[in-house]
Amino acid sequence: ETGVTQSPTHLIKTRGQQVTLRCSSQSGHNTVSWYQQALGQGPQFIFQYYREEENGRGNFPPRFSGLQFPNYSSELNVNALELDDSALYLCASSAPGLAGGYEQYFGPGTRLTVT
Amino acid sequence: AQSVTQPDIHITVSEGASLELRCNYSYGATPYLFWYVQSPGQGLQLLLKYFSGDTLVQGIKGFEAEFKRSQSSFNLRKPSVHWSDAAEYFCAVGDETSYDKVIFGPGTSLSVIP
Repeated sequence: ETGVTQSPTHLIKTRGQQVTLRCSSQSGHNTVSWYQQALGQGPQFIFQYYREEENGRGNFPPRFSGLQFPNYSSELNVNALELDDSALYLCASSAPGLAGGYEQYFGPGTRLTVT
Repeated sequence: AQSVTQPDIHITVSEGASLELRCNYSYGATPYLFWYVQSPGQGLQLLLKYFSGDTLVQGIKGFEAEFKRSQSSFNLRKPSVHWSDAAEYFCAVGDETSYDKVIFGPGTSLSVIP
């Protein structure tokens, strides 16, 4: 068990609505990344936050936004939901590893269904 | 741009048999390579990683992987599969600009026959 938690576990929203997903990072980790995993596919990198600032973004539109808080918890916000936003959303926290390399620890994910 | 391919969408093996899952990648400079496992309804668990050094990497649950630069491959192996190994396996590569922003392959689904 990694210590990364996400809420809620499942969520159903209607097209056009807005949603906020939450993640609590593993203690001591100052970096959080968010991924979208569509059914039957690998996770796709959305963006990363480091010390409360966005530190890289994948190929996702601006309606996907995030926040990271001083306690290293974070949020993923999605506006104007579309049917294709239906997916498992994973957050991963990380910090420099003992060998100088980063290891990401994933939460269990939030399953979002857009109808 | 970095990319990862996993040629096998689905593999079925008998319990006790050996396993090899294939992974090929493209990268700019030094690759940072990972294998993750995802059980149904679960998040991702890191099996092993390669950053540098010995090209044969040992991981958890009896898995190992070998980095072959000449073949741009990072195949995952296990000598004897257990029924509990049935899951989805993802190979991943660290982004050129930051190995903390991982790019995942499409995954290989493993079924184990008792």
